Amino acid sequence: DIQMTQSPSSLSASVGDRVTFTCRASQSISNFLNWYQQKSGKAPKLLIYGASNLQGGVPSRFSGSGFGTDFTLTISSLQPEDFATYYCQQSYSTPPYSFGQGTKLEIK
Amino acid sequence: EAQLVESGGDLVQPGGSLRLSCAASGFTFSTSWMSWVRQAPGKGLEWVANINEDGSEKYYVDSVKGRLTISRDNAKNSLSLLMNSLRAEDTAVYYCARQHRSSRKVYYMDVWGKGTTVTVSS
Repeated sequence: DIQMTQSPSSLSASVGDRVTFTCRASQSISNFLNWYQQKSGKAPKLLIYGASNLQGGVPSRFSGSGFGTDFTLTISSLQPEDFATYYCQQSYSTPPYSFGQGTKLEIK
Repeated sequence: EAQLVESGGDLVQPGGSLRLSCAASGFTFSTSWMSWVRQAPGKGLEWVANINEDGSEKYYVDSVKGRLTISRDNAKNSLSLLMNSLRAEDTAVYYCARQHRSSRKVYYMDVWGKGTTVTVSS
């Protein structure tokens, strides 16, 4: 099975900062990588699919990149509503479609 | 608007059984792959199982194989998760999600329910 590793596990930043999250797969997954945002007590929300495609309705300050084993999610200018936990997930080939352990974004 | 509503979560003793349901509306359920994802208290997301459009393909994470069974009823726009031989480590919020496929065959979960809570404890 494919293992997904996210770094860092937590991150402190301020409104207006540019932040980057990293996700690494244990084997090449092409561009079959998705990013989700989860706020406390809420269901996850899809942000990016296929490594770099912005889901409809998601602000353009979110962007994704990467291919193969290494991927990044970037928020260009943090807004107060962006403080949450972010998960990557691979959907390469047949399931299981594993998630990373998450990166918690906190206010500095 | 696409919507998913889970139900059936409860407190159950170790070794017990439970059936979760997910009611779909606002989209064509019968042409959608569907998934279950869970989240243990204070932990991250764990993909549990998925099922194809007509129920002929099912996949599970290793830790639930032989104990949890995913199924669907397209006539009722309903997804189910039958949970047997429950363990303490199955305690979690269980989310139902639509698994959509992009034009480039990337699968992703774009519609989520609010979740239902399963607690396994004596």
